[in-house]
Amino acid sequence: ETGVTQSPTHLIKTRGQQVTLRCSSQSGHNTVSWYQQALGQGPQFIFQYYREEENGRGNFPPRFSGLQFPNYSSELNVNALELDDSALYLCASSQGQARNTEAFFGQGTRLTVV
Amino acid sequence: EDQVTQSPEALRLQEGESSSLNCSYTVSGLRGLFWYRQDPGKGPEFLFTLYSAGEEKEKERLKATLTKKESFLHITAPKPEDSATYLCAVQQTSGSRLTFGEGTQLTVNP
Repeated sequence: ETGVTQSPTHLIKTRGQQVTLRCSSQSGHNTVSWYQQALGQGPQFIFQYYREEENGRGNFPPRFSGLQFPNYSSELNVNALELDDSALYLCASSQGQARNTEAFFGQGTRLTVV
Repeated sequence: EDQVTQSPEALRLQEGESSSLNCSYTVSGLRGLFWYRQDPGKGPEFLFTLYSAGEEKEKERLKATLTKKESFLHITAPKPEDSATYLCAVQQTSGSRLTFGEGTQLTVNP
């Protein structure tokens, strides 16, 4: 177990709706990254938060947004859901900008858009 | 743009049959190369980080090596419980995002 927890584990939404996914980072970690993993593919970087500020973003549209809270937990919000947003959403926590920044992943949230 | 290519896409082994997985990468300044194991429907599980060419790390039946262009994950005498998808990822010196390959799906038959 990594200590990174995500909720919910599974979610079904209708196209056009909005969704919020949550992540609690591992104790002592101040950086949270979000990834999208489509079936049969590797995870794709969405964005990262370091000490409550966005610290890098991948090729995802603005309807993907996030937050990090003072306790370093994080939320991923997706507006105007599309069918292609169906995927496993992964949260990873790590310890800041130091060299040995192994990222530890949660179990993921499986989002299905119908 | 960083690129990671893993081969083969899928590998079937008999229990005890050793083999290697390949990860070729292109990155503008490597901070680290990471190996993860992922079971179906679960998040990736951290295995190794390699930082410089020539570095090797071992854990049970797994050994990871790194050159300037690729990394290998050697599996010695695998068991059925080693069946999983193995993911390789690189991290730039200028950032902390991970760029992943598509993974190698390993099946070990008893």
